[in-house]
Amino acid sequence: ETGVTQSPTHLIKTRGQQVTLRCSSQSGHNTVSWYQQALGQGPQFIFQYYREEENGRGNFPPRFSGLQFPNYSSELNVNALELDDSALYLCASSLDSRNYGYTFGSGTRLTVV
Amino acid sequence: DQQVKQNSPSLSVQEGRISILNCDYTNSMFDYFLWYKKYPAEGPTFLISISSIKDKNEDGRFTVFLNKSAKHLSLHIVPSQPGDSAVYFCAASGAFGQGAQKLVFGQGTRLTINP
Repeated sequence: ETGVTQSPTHLIKTRGQQVTLRCSSQSGHNTVSWYQQALGQGPQFIFQYYREEENGRGNFPPRFSGLQFPNYSSELNVNALELDDSALYLCASSLDSRNYGYTFGSGTRLTVV
Repeated sequence: DQQVKQNSPSLSVQEGRISILNCDYTNSMFDYFLWYKKYPAEGPTFLISISSIKDKNEDGRFTVFLNKSAKHLSLHIVPSQPGDSAVYFCAASGAFGQGAQKLVFGQGTRLTINP
């Protein structure tokens, strides 16, 4: 087991720019979920990918998009960044889409200025 | 619309005593509940869970109680240890007709254990 790793750990972007956050899931985990945690709040579900297809989405606009690759890595892309996108972005992997045994990464702290 | 609420932002407990963290939910479709613990600069780590068909689940020092009629759950830690100092998140999930099992989190409670 290698755990879930996210990169980068910190990032500063300007409003209007685009950003890509990366996640390497735990080996064998074919499901990855992304969460946004704003300051002082709990994590909020963005979307989930299962076997490279999106199979669920939270209340986030289409400028939040993702990709999952066969090698258990995934990406979260955010276009047209807004100040309110500043948050900790967490990636979580699990064995399958109906398994609650999520392993979370340490997150990427995104600051939009 | 905050479907899962942790009304205490912080809690301070003496080492060796019992810590009780509370969580309320509004959606009766939730059928599985989890507690996560988070240290600074780390991701949340799973602590304990309970299915809606049970009212209690125990794992060592940690016990989760579920009161479905009140839509309330609590996490008991006894005895509390300094290493338990962290932010605790309550999370809920259910079959919403989607393939994804998303978790709905509360805002978290910062627990501090004093020596």
